[in-house]
Amino acid sequence: GQQLNQSPQSMFIQEGEDVSMNCTSSSIFNTWLWYKQEPGEGPVLLIALYKAGELTSNGRLTAQFGITRKDSFLNISASIPSDVGIYFCAAHDSWGKLQFGAGTQVVVTP
Amino acid sequence: NAGVTQTPKFRILKIGQSMTLQCTQDMNHNYMYWYRQDPGMGLKLIYYSVGAGITDKGEVPNGYNVSRSTTEDFPLRLELAAPSQTSVYFCASSQRTSGAHLRNEQFFGPGTRLTVL
Repeated sequence: GQQLNQSPQSMFIQEGEDVSMNCTSSSIFNTWLWYKQEPGEGPVLLIALYKAGELTSNGRLTAQFGITRKDSFLNISASIPSDVGIYFCAAHDSWGKLQFGAGTQVVVTP
Repeated sequence: NAGVTQTPKFRILKIGQSMTLQCTQDMNHNYMYWYRQDPGMGLKLIYYSVGAGITDKGEVPNGYNVSRSTTEDFPLRLELAAPSQTSVYFCASSQRTSGAHLRNEQFFGPGTRLTVL
């Protein structure tokens, strides 16, 4: 079953604001992944994190692999309308089985 | 590369009908997966395959069947459609590595939206 607790469930923000979301778990993971899903499309991989404490950026996106290996966060800076979508965290253990969070819906208003 | 492609994009079935959802990947990935996504929920794994000829059940396999005769294709079969199978279905693939540098980044298709009435 789902072991990743993702929050918040949804966010309504103004264009230009920063966005932060996170995933936590009671289990230890070896890899954390962040996906974005736009309406009518499949999830697209944004960032992959492989080491505890790792901080990785992809444009205006920054994600970190928590030092305890039980959490990760994603930040979006200076949001724009095309940031709208559902952001999913995912993580896998040493067996490689991938688990997903329930998603954070982001709505950006002008 | 087209990546992961799925057909059809939309389908409406009557209760008891059968259909096959098609999935093809052109990245020569060894692993392939089928997920379903219900409104407001995350992704639930239905079946997966570690290579041609090898499949295994995921979290919610009841009511579905799969086969993997080639590296590229991984069709999902619904034999007796039920309203509970109304969902969006995603196929994914990954080039999973093993050992100390385990990698399993999955790449998804655009999805098939299925309604069973």
